[in-house]
Amino acid sequence: AQSVTQLGSHVSVSEGALVLLRCNYSSSVPPYLFWYVQYPNQGLQLLLKYTTGATLVKGINGFEAEFKKSETSFHLTKPSAHMSDAAEYFCAVTNTGNQFYFGTGTSLTVIP
Amino acid sequence: EAGVAQSPRYKIIEKRQSVAFWCNPISGHATLYWYQQILGQGPKLLIQFQNNGVVDDSQLPKDRFSAERLKGVDSTLKIQPAKLEDSAVYLCASSYNANSPLHFGNGTRLTVT
Repeated sequence: AQSVTQLGSHVSVSEGALVLLRCNYSSSVPPYLFWYVQYPNQGLQLLLKYTTGATLVKGINGFEAEFKKSETSFHLTKPSAHMSDAAEYFCAVTNTGNQFYFGTGTSLTVIP
Repeated sequence: EAGVAQSPRYKIIEKRQSVAFWCNPISGHATLYWYQQILGQGPKLLIQFQNNGVVDDSQLPKDRFSAERLKGVDSTLKIQPAKLEDSAVYLCASSYNANSPLHFGNGTRLTVT
């Protein structure tokens, strides 16, 4: 079975500071991993995905994530936070193509 | 390309009433998902369709929830009768094929009073 744990339901950073959102997964087979962002009153939007190949994945809006198999992690980072990054972020895992398992989400607040 | 369309955006009903949500996926996407997102939680899969067949409905409360995708394109999710705990955002998503990213609609926010 697959599962996702997002450490920290709320993260606050200052504008211009590093953003680090943590995601650990549990999977019996090599996973496919995703990060989604959700703005208020909207659906989820894909930020980036890892399937195979390079373990450092670059996504939209300057975000990137690194797949670390030894740590079963897929943390999301952005070097410099912008006010527009304030949103809810979800990590998700799938390995069969049948089910996407989502974490409970991390709410990012950016302080001016 | 046009995104996933959902309607209505908002719905308020009293408990024990019925409600239906509609979803039109991205053209060509064979897989369609319905998720329930309770405030402060991640999306929880209710049902997954591959074309017009059900792949997974293990978490669908079948005594009150039903869903169909008769022609393998758009889909309807129904709740009858609704309970207070059904208050949530119902998200529809579609994907092109297995392991492709999900594309989400904007959801329907249901309030049961």
